[in-house]
Amino acid sequence: SQTIHQWPATLVQPVGSPLSLECTVEGTSNPNLYWYRQAAGRGLQLLFYSVGIGQISSEVPQNLSASRPQDRQFILSSKKLLLSDSGFYLCAYKPDRHNEKLFFGSGTQLSVL
Amino acid sequence: AQKVTQAQTEISVVEKEDVTLDCVYETRDTTYYLFWYKQPPSGELVFLIRRNSFDEQNEISGRYSWNFQKSTSSFNFTITASQVVDSAVYFCALESYNTDKLIFGTGTRLQVFP
Repeated sequence: SQTIHQWPATLVQPVGSPLSLECTVEGTSNPNLYWYRQAAGRGLQLLFYSVGIGQISSEVPQNLSASRPQDRQFILSSKKLLLSDSGFYLCAYKPDRHNEKLFFGSGTQLSVL
Repeated sequence: AQKVTQAQTEISVVEKEDVTLDCVYETRDTTYYLFWYKQPPSGELVFLIRRNSFDEQNEISGRYSWNFQKSTSSFNFTITASQVVDSAVYFCALESYNTDKLIFGTGTRLQVFP
């Protein structure tokens, strides 16, 4: 069966520190992978998506970057966190492109202080 | 450009009331897909429904029903006889056939009081 793992569940980081959030998918090959951020009043904002290894599309210019070093691994990073990076980060995947529903991870609550 | 608008930020109802969550979308594509997701307090998103742009039939699933109208670019969601367990944030989303990305609205927080 297919599953998605996202960690950590919560994270408190000081301003200026680096960030690395990891997401892995099991039970499927070559999925589409996504990072979303949920900030208060802004709903779910698509940050990055990837249709294959090394292929990253960025939706919003910001302080974050994403990488896909392996087929089922998606990493969200930052070299120096800002206060505005606080939010709830969700990883998601689609087993196959085109019109399949997204399956979401359990999310990471990031607080930058 | 694609856009999803959920004008209702928060709705409060008493148990057993019917409630409709509005969703209006914008797209220039002729083939697209519309979704509703539920986000309970736990935070994880739960898929509710997917509709393609060529199927305007309304759908009913238990107490849930969806009204898709292309003429008004709307995809509204109605919960009949609401229950406390329906309390959650509900998101409407849009995906065009030629893209790989799902665009969400800002969500509607539904609170159902006993």
